[in-house]
Amino acid sequence: DSGVTQTPKHLITATGQRVTLRCSPRSGDLSVYWYQQSLDQGLQFLIQYYNGEERAKGNILERFSAQQFPDLHSELNLSSLELGDSALYFCASTSGSSYNEQFFGPGTRLTVL
Amino acid sequence: ELKVEQNPLFLSMQEGKNYTIYCNYSTTSDRLYWYRQDPGKSLESLFVLLSNGAVKQEGRLMASLDTKARLSTLHITAAVHDLSATYFCAVGNSGNTPLVFGKGTRLSVIA
Repeated sequence: DSGVTQTPKHLITATGQRVTLRCSPRSGDLSVYWYQQSLDQGLQFLIQYYNGEERAKGNILERFSAQQFPDLHSELNLSSLELGDSALYFCASTSGSSYNEQFFGPGTRLTVL
Repeated sequence: ELKVEQNPLFLSMQEGKNYTIYCNYSTTSDRLYWYRQDPGKSLESLFVLLSNGAVKQEGRLMASLDTKARLSTLHITAAVHDLSATYFCAVGNSGNTPLVFGKGTRLSVIA
């Protein structure tokens, strides 16, 4: 158990819908990363927040957005869902030490029908 | 743009044999990470390699880093079935930076 929690574990929805994925980092970690894992694209970085501020953006679609709240939990919002958005979505957190070791949550499996 | 290449992508090994997974990356980096992922599960951190020549070992797995060659290896000694999983290398830099992952090596250890 990494100490990072994600809800829900599974999500099944229809095209065109909007969903919210939630992540709570390890106690004391200020940085949260979101990654998408799909069969064709592999593990891709989406977006990073540090202590409530957006720090870096990766291959995140305009239909996707995220935020980090004062209690440091983060939410990833996916809208106008398409079949191709079906994937495993992971969040990871790090303490920001020089190791920058990222600890991954259990993931949310999103299925878009 | 930083690119990370792993090979092989698929590896079927007999129990008791040794093998090496290779991870090459395209630009200078000072952090190399190895993760393990079981099917449908999360990523488990195995090793963090921070400097040229770094070597770390845990059980039957040993990881090394050559920053000049931009190469890391994950060596498996006397494989056992429990090592069957997908292994990812990832490259990053110091501070709070995102990781760039290789495509992963799916390892299957057979009797």
